[in-house]
Order: sequence, then structure tokens, then C-alpha cells
Amino acid sequence: NAGVTQTPKFRILKIGQSMTLQCTQDMNHNYMYWYRQDPGMGLKLIYYSVGAGITDKGEVPNGYNVSRSTTEDFPLRLELAAPSQTSVYFCASRRRVQGTEAFFGQGTRLTVV
Amino acid sequence: EDKVVQSPLSLVVHEGDTVTLNCSYEVTNFRSLLWYKQEKKAPTFLFMLTSSGIEKKSGRLSSILDKKELSSILNITATQTGDSAIYLCAVEAGNTDKLIFGTGTRLQVFP
Repeated sequence: NAGVTQTPKFRILKIGQSMTLQCTQDMNHNYMYWYRQDPGMGLKLIYYSVGAGITDKGEVPNGYNVSRSTTEDFPLRLELAAPSQTSVYFCASRRRVQGTEAFFGQGTRLTVV
Repeated sequence: EDKVVQSPLSLVVHEGDTVTLNCSYEVTNFRSLLWYKQEKKAPTFLFMLTSSGIEKKSGRLSSILDKKELSSILNITATQTGDSAIYLCAVEAGNTDKLIFGTGTRLQVFP
């Protein structure tokens, strides 16, 4: 059982470049989330989705876009990368039942230079 | 706006000490509060607390939810160096389905 899979694990981008962080889960979870974690800090919610075709902004959505065409996949798109987007990105998923834990991917470490 | 605050931000103790980590929240339509431990990589789940389950315990770790005070504490007794980690608190907001995390508490346990 793979759980939540994120790719790539590491990436270096130049300022102004774009990229997509991939996230796939095989647990048939309705809810999926994207977080960023800056050094020594907690997790900030970027975007989330409660099901295929439904997405919504979190606390720090600027500079990012998402889509959710299937239950399994929730890619995060960075347009015009900036140094402020240097961070570790985590994808998480959970069932659509009140009070259930979220399962995390192993993270993507992104550096923008 | 939904908000989760943890304190202290950082804590340094010696093995054998007992520590208490705090989490307070302001969310619309509270559903649950979750505690996670994060070492080098992804957070790993510790406890979930809801209105119907306000106290949890596992070994040396225990947690209590105080719905009146809108807060929770995580206690670790007889700390070990392996407890060194960032401890994250998250709250599920019912109106929006968001899962909001706090700033985290970095715990360092020295021999």
C-alpha cells in the first residue's frame, strides 16, 4: 500500500520558471491538502480539495494553482517561481469522515535561486 | 479567521524530564484536534481528540482536550532523546473542511 506519493523529492528552480509538484494517493480519500513548511516553522495550508472537481484556497495560495480532476491526483502548480517559494512542500489526504487523521507524503524540497 | 497557536515555540530539556506542550485554537465549528510528531521528514500521527474523546494516552505520551478553554495539552513523561522532534497540533474546521496547523513546538532532549 503506497499511501501518499509525492514527486519529485528535490528540485532546484530558477526565478521565473514554472513547475508542477505531483501528489497521488491510493487510499480513495476524498480530502487532499497541500502545505508548505519553512525552516523551523509549522505547516501552512496552500490549497485543499474535498473531492474531484472541487478546490479551495488555504492560508497562503498566492503564486500557486491546483486542480483535482480525479480522486487520486492533486497536483500543485508553481507559476513564475520566486525565492520566497523556497520551502518543503507536503501533500496530505484523509477520508471524508469527521475526525480522521491525515496521511502525509514524504515531501518535496524546493529551492528557487 | 481560523487560527491555531502552539507554545512554547522551543523547549530544551534533559532526559527524564516531563514536558507539557500547549495548543490553543480559534476555528469555526470545531470537529477535531490532532497531534503529530515530525522528525526528519513527514509528520507522523500521534493522537486525535474530539468532543466524544477528550483524553488519549499511549505509553509516556498523553493528551487532553479542553473544549471550554479551546485548547489542548500534550504531555510527555520521562523524556528520551528519541522524543526530540517538532510537535505539531492541527485542528479540523467543520465549516470549511480545512485542516489548520499550528506553528509547532521544537523539543530537544539532551542526555
